[in-house]
Amino acid sequence: DVKVTQSSRYLVKRTGEKVFLECVQDMDHENMFWYRQDPGLGLRLIYFSYDVKMKEKGDIPEGYSVSREKKERFSLILESASTNQTSMYLCASSLRIPSTDTQYFGPGTRLTVL
Amino acid sequence: SQQGEEDPQALSIQEGENATMNCSYKTSINNLQWYRQNSGRGLVHLILIRSNEREKHSGRLRVTLDTSKKSSSLLITASRAADTASYFCATDGGYQKVTFGIGTKLQVIP
Repeated sequence: DVKVTQSSRYLVKRTGEKVFLECVQDMDHENMFWYRQDPGLGLRLIYFSYDVKMKEKGDIPEGYSVSREKKERFSLILESASTNQTSMYLCASSLRIPSTDTQYFGPGTRLTVL
Repeated sequence: SQQGEEDPQALSIQEGENATMNCSYKTSINNLQWYRQNSGRGLVHLILIRSNEREKHSGRLRVTLDTSKKSSSLLITASRAADTASYFCATDGGYQKVTFGIGTKLQVIP
């Protein structure tokens, strides 16, 4: 079974702090994704990566950056956290492009920025 | 980017009843997928239907796709309390992306 793990289930940070959200998958998947989920807005894609050291902007990349130094690990970085980044963050991975294949999701990190 | 829109946004039924939720989208697709999310958890893939398919079954799930109406429906038969979750459709969002709708929240009352 594919397993996608995220470093924290709950995180509380202060405005202006640098925040790292880590995601690890154990199935040698090429593609990895970061989404945020907000009530009434559904899931929105922040960034994705289709190979090591490769990254592509999603629909809402502003205020975020990512890092993929190893195939199994995809990190989301909030350079200077703001209150409007309070949200549920979901990481996912897939073997092939996600429109043709299953995405496997982690359990999510609920981030609160005070 | 196009986004699937689920309807209704919330649905409450008794255990044993069937639940139907719908997804509409705006532009042509190659595939459409349905995912389930239990409260506070990640999403779980349920089923993928291709644009040249009209209906697909998986256990108690039945998905239909009408490309002429740009809509899909997910039917859960003989619902159980464990089916309580949010259900999302996901459509092609461009190369290497999918776009999720805002979801239907299903409550199955024991």
